[in-house]
Amino acid sequence: AQSVTQPDIHITVSEGASLELRCNYSYGATPYLFWYVQSPGQGLQLLLKYFSGDTLVQGIKGFEAEFKRSQSSFNLRKPSVHWSDAAEYFCAVGENTDKLIFGTGTRLQVFP
Amino acid sequence: DAGVIQSPRHEVTEMGQEVTLRCKPISGHNSLFWYRQTMMRGLELLIYFNNNVPIDDSGMPEDRFSAKMPNASFSTLKIQPSEPRDSAVYFCASSSPPGNYGYTFGSGTRLTVV
Repeated sequence: AQSVTQPDIHITVSEGASLELRCNYSYGATPYLFWYVQSPGQGLQLLLKYFSGDTLVQGIKGFEAEFKRSQSSFNLRKPSVHWSDAAEYFCAVGENTDKLIFGTGTRLQVFP
Repeated sequence: DAGVIQSPRHEVTEMGQEVTLRCKPISGHNSLFWYRQTMMRGLELLIYFNNNVPIDDSGMPEDRFSAKMPNASFSTLKIQPSEPRDSAVYFCASSSPPGNYGYTFGSGTRLTVV
């Protein structure tokens, strides 16, 4: 069965530092992969997605993610974190033509 | 586009009462999803529709939960009778064909059953 693992429940970084959030998936075929962000009291917003082609994808808000098939990973990165990036981040894998399976999320805290 | 619209934003009800959550998907999106989010279980897919037809309701916790999509622009999730363990944030999301291009989420309904 398809699954998504986000090993880090909570990450704290200083503003201006680089960020990497980990995501590992289990899927038999080429997956559709997504990262979403959820600010407190809000719904989830799509940051970026990967379907095929270039394994490094760019998203909104300066985020990028790299698909590594050999490691079954799709880690999210940002070179310099801003205080407004504090939120919860969810990785998701696409199943069939529509169904998304979400990870448990990583809460990002940013210190000034 | 106004995005996915959910109502109400907050709902407080007493145990045993019927609760109805509403969702208006983005015009032109033909798939609609209901998710529940709790601290303990994270995001759980309850049910999803394609072209107004329920495709997978395996996530619906029990018979107290029901969902309908009478037309392309409206869906409801009903809980009857409600219980305190149903307290959660319920999200509706929609997506556009073809294939899997990610969802657009609504802002959610925070349900508290006392």
